[in-house]
Amino acid sequence: DGGITQSPKYLFRKEGQNVTLSCEQNLNHDAMYWYRQDPGQGLRLIYYSQIVNDFQKGDIAEGYSVSREKKESFPLTVTSAQKNPTAFYLCASSIGGSQSVDTYNEQFFGPGTRLTVL
Amino acid sequence: AQKVTQAQTEISVVEKEDVTLDCVYETRDTTYYLFWYKQPPSGELVFLIRRNSFDEQNEISGRYSWNFQKSTSSFNFTITASQVVDSAVYFCALTLDEAGSDMRFGAGTRLTVKP
Repeated sequence: DGGITQSPKYLFRKEGQNVTLSCEQNLNHDAMYWYRQDPGQGLRLIYYSQIVNDFQKGDIAEGYSVSREKKESFPLTVTSAQKNPTAFYLCASSIGGSQSVDTYNEQFFGPGTRLTVL
Repeated sequence: AQKVTQAQTEISVVEKEDVTLDCVYETRDTTYYLFWYKQPPSGELVFLIRRNSFDEQNEISGRYSWNFQKSTSSFNFTITASQVVDSAVYFCALTLDEAGSDMRFGAGTRLTVKP
């Protein structure tokens, strides 16, 4: 089945440790995104990537880092510099602007990773 | 910058009632795209609809319908004859970018449908 996978579903880390959240897609999408969701709030964009080996900061990039070495993968590292990392993290992908179809900005989401920093 | 407001934080209805979720957006651009997503308890967002700013035609899909009115900058979502399975958080979102890189989400409306 085509889709987006995020692992693990739940993640616990001690304060001060870096942690990497994985996101893999087999939809052949060019664009991938990371969002953070806090209770009672909408999604906020952390980083996005329109193409392999390129990514851009979103609204709340401080304390996070990403890489895009492969089209299928867009891992997110939550560093110790992130002041309040406990949240629900959602990865998404979309076809992207390089492909000429009508629905290229519709985003498909993974199941999310709930990160708790103790 | 664009903004999306979902003023209803929580709504509770009894099964078979109709319910409308409000979405008001702000943007100065004439080209934009509006979305509705559903987030069930499992957490994964599910795409429901996309509408571009040049298409004000309302849409109906089964029990779901959407009312897009540029005059009031609103894109409201109505569920007819609600069911327990409709219980979820619903997000309205807006992007100016054809590639969707600047998607702005509302805070969401939590809908609870009681049997």
